[in-house]
Amino acid sequence: DAKTTQPPSMDCAEGRAANLPCNHSTISGNEYVYWYRQIHSQGPQYIIHGLKNNETNEMASLIITEDRKSSTLILPHATLRDTAVYYCIVRSENSGGSNYKLTFGKGTLLTVNP
Amino acid sequence: DAGVIQSPRHEVTEMGQEVTLRCKPISGHDYLFWYRQTMMRGLELLIYFNNNVPIDDSGMPEDRFSAKMPNASFSTLKIQPSEPRDSAVYFCASSLGLRITEAFFGQGTRLTVV
Repeated sequence: DAKTTQPPSMDCAEGRAANLPCNHSTISGNEYVYWYRQIHSQGPQYIIHGLKNNETNEMASLIITEDRKSSTLILPHATLRDTAVYYCIVRSENSGGSNYKLTFGKGTLLTVNP
Repeated sequence: DAGVIQSPRHEVTEMGQEVTLRCKPISGHDYLFWYRQTMMRGLELLIYFNNNVPIDDSGMPEDRFSAKMPNASFSTLKIQPSEPRDSAVYFCASSLGLRITEAFFGQGTRLTVV
């Protein structure tokens, strides 16, 4: 069952901010929002994750709505190397049992144009 | 650390042959995941281990697939006999699972069964 909904594709101009939306309306209280990306012919790469508060690291910012039903990944200054498929994933914080899964959906293909 | 190491990077085999894919997780990580990626189905979780013990193999397609983790530094995914529909990129990932953390992926093995 798909727990997240993302647009299949987006375009962004190089140097501009890329804002990738994700809907997760059925998220439960103990589930985090994770973002990964996959550049062509490479394995998925972790970007950022969060529970309630907005998060920022050297790669991106994550904005989570107050009701936690949606989030936005922001790449502040997109470069050509950011062209990739971006996956939004919800996952339980429980580290044991079958809840500990990283289930990928279709993701959003972000194309950064020169 | 060199990251998650998979071998071989590419494998071409004939239908009916046995195929063994190998993975060396990041030292100290206690979770190991095997994924399969195809254009049609996206990225699918096949099986994952915790402390070398298989926890959930519900994603393994059928009995032709088997996975083992004889020790903390090595895992194999075996397909016997292989079929053309097994052609895909197979990823191994590992993580430190005491708390929420990111999973680190290997570069993948591209399997082609002819």
